[in-house]
Order: sequence, then C-alpha cells, then structure tokens
Amino acid sequence: EIVLTQSPGTLSLSPGERASLSCRGSESLTSNYLAWYQHKPGQAPRLLIFGASHRATGIPDRFSGSGSGTDFTLTISRLEPEDFAVYYCQLLDTFGPGTKVHIK
Amino acid sequence: QVQLQQWGAGLLKPSETLSLTCAVSGGSLSDYYWNWIRQPPGKGLEWIGEIHHSGSTTYNPSLKSRVSISIDTSKKQFSLRLNSVTAADTALYYCARGDYSSYYYFDFWGQGTLVTVSS
Repeated sequence: EIVLTQSPGTLSLSPGERASLSCRGSESLTSNYLAWYQHKPGQAPRLLIFGASHRATGIPDRFSGSGSGTDFTLTISRLEPEDFAVYYCQLLDTFGPGTKVHIK
Repeated sequence: QVQLQQWGAGLLKPSETLSLTCAVSGGSLSDYYWNWIRQPPGKGLEWIGEIHHSGSTTYNPSLKSRVSISIDTSKKQFSLRLNSVTAADTALYYCARGDYSSYYYFDFWGQGTLVTVSS
C-alpha cells in the first residue's frame, strides 16, 4: 500500500507570497493518478490539479502542479486571501495527511 | 453542472447503522464511480468505498466488513451503510464522483454530512 507524505504540515505565509507544497510517495507514483485538492472549513474539498499538472476547470493559473516518480509539488504563485486552506494530495484511493496554509 | 446532494441521520448511538444517500443531478451516472469519503474531526480524508453504475463495488479494507454501498440508477442515487458504528466513526461524510477515464480524481462532491456517534 502506497503511503503519501505531505510537507510541511503547516505553512505560514502572507498574501502575495509563493507557496510550495510537497507530496511524496513511499514508492514511485503514476503521475496520471496524482491529484491535489483544496479544503476549507464548512466546504467540500475542491479539485485543483489532476494528472499531477493539469488544472481542473475554473482553477486560477496561480495554481500549478509538477513532479514525477515519488515527488510532486503544488505551487501557488501568489497567495490570495481565499487560498488559505488545507491542501491534500491524492493517489487512487489514498489521501495525504494535508498541508495547512495559514496567514502569517 | 453536476451536483451531488446528500442526506442522512446525523446522530447515532454505538452499534447502530449509519445510512446516507447521495442524489446526482445535472449529469449521468454512467462512466463514473460514485464514492464515499469521510473526515474525522481534526484528521484528514479517508476513502470509504465506491460503486460503479453497473453495481460493482470496492471498499476500503479497513471498513470492508461493515460497509455496503448501493446504487439506484432509476433515481440517480447511491447510498452508504456502515454497520455497528462506534465513536471512531464520528466524521464528516462526503459523497463524490470519481472520474477514472484517463486520470483519477474526484471532481464533484456533496456538501457533507456530519455524523456523530455518541451514547
């Protein structure tokens, strides 16, 4: 069973800054099956990225995904106030533990 | 636009059966997998299981002995049953559409139902 590790656990940043979130697999991952979600309290998770690097419909281009093998990254180029949330990576039926991005 | 609307009992006693239903509108059931995912308080997301419109199911091995997912294609609804609940089953439960055609992701989600198990 693949284990996903996300780092850091918490990220303290200011609006306008760049955020880089890491997702690492315990073994090599199939890029096609790697997705990222944004989750805010009281809301359903929102699909951001699928296939490691493809933005979902309606997702702003400040969100980008990259990576291959065991290491994947979600980058938010310039944080907007609405971007402060928890972010999860997902591979098949497994979710990572999440990275919380909060306002510094 | 695809929408998932879910409902079910929010307060259960230990040993009771959790029952949730999710209705799909704005799209077809065909060619997708219909999932249940939960989030215990203060924890991350946990996949519970899925059902294809054909009726085939796959469950999380950790819950397999207690879980059942069914689908009613005529009503465009699918349901979750989890037997013998305990406090550890207290969580926010979501239904979600799985698209595995070329990639693998959950693109549409229900609004979530908080289920609390308490005596």
